[in-house]
Amino acid sequence: KQEVTQIPAALSVPEGENLVLNCSFTDSAIYNLQWFRQDPGKGLTSLLLIQSSQREQTSGRLNASLDKSSGRSTLYIAASQPGDSATYLCAVSNFGNEKLTFGTGTRLTIIP
Amino acid sequence: NAGVTQTPKFQVLKTGQSMTLQCAQDMNHEYMSWYRQDPGMGLRLIHYSVGAGITDQGEVPNGYNVSRSTTEDFPLRLLSAAPSQTSVYFCASSYRTGTQPQHFGDGTRLSIL
Repeated sequence: KQEVTQIPAALSVPEGENLVLNCSFTDSAIYNLQWFRQDPGKGLTSLLLIQSSQREQTSGRLNASLDKSSGRSTLYIAASQPGDSATYLCAVSNFGNEKLTFGTGTRLTIIP
Repeated sequence: NAGVTQTPKFQVLKTGQSMTLQCAQDMNHEYMSWYRQDPGMGLRLIHYSVGAGITDQGEVPNGYNVSRSTTEDFPLRLLSAAPSQTSVYFCASSYRTGTQPQHFGDGTRLSIL
């Protein structure tokens, strides 16, 4: 059974710092890995999707990497801003785009 | 473009009552799914559908029923509500190819008294 872990559960950093969020998974036979953002009381917004054949994806100040062999992904946020404060969720799929297995998330607070 | 629309946004039920959570998408996605989100447990898959007329169970299907009569709609039915079903429910949709991300609704916050 696939298990996804995100550590730390919460993280606070001053505005302007670069930061890394971690995600690990137990079954390396994944199809894709997705990073989502969730604001309080809201749904999930997709940030980046990395297919199993890819090593990284970038969108603006966000960069996600994938190392299937070690079962790890990182989400790098450059020049953090207070608006980046949210919970970040990692999810993996072992078949197509179906049946995502989620981590419990990292709650990020950017201190102005 | 509406995306994924969930109704209602909030609901309070008494134990034993039944209700249907509605989910609709306007992106012609084949795949739709329901998750529940509980504190400290992440999102867990309840049921999913790969197309009209096809549904299957996820990780936590007990106490829930689904049907998919059209591509657009995927309602979730609570047959006899229990306090353990108090949660936030999210509907998601996507293409099946795995190259595009899943789209989520804003959720239904359900309390069972």
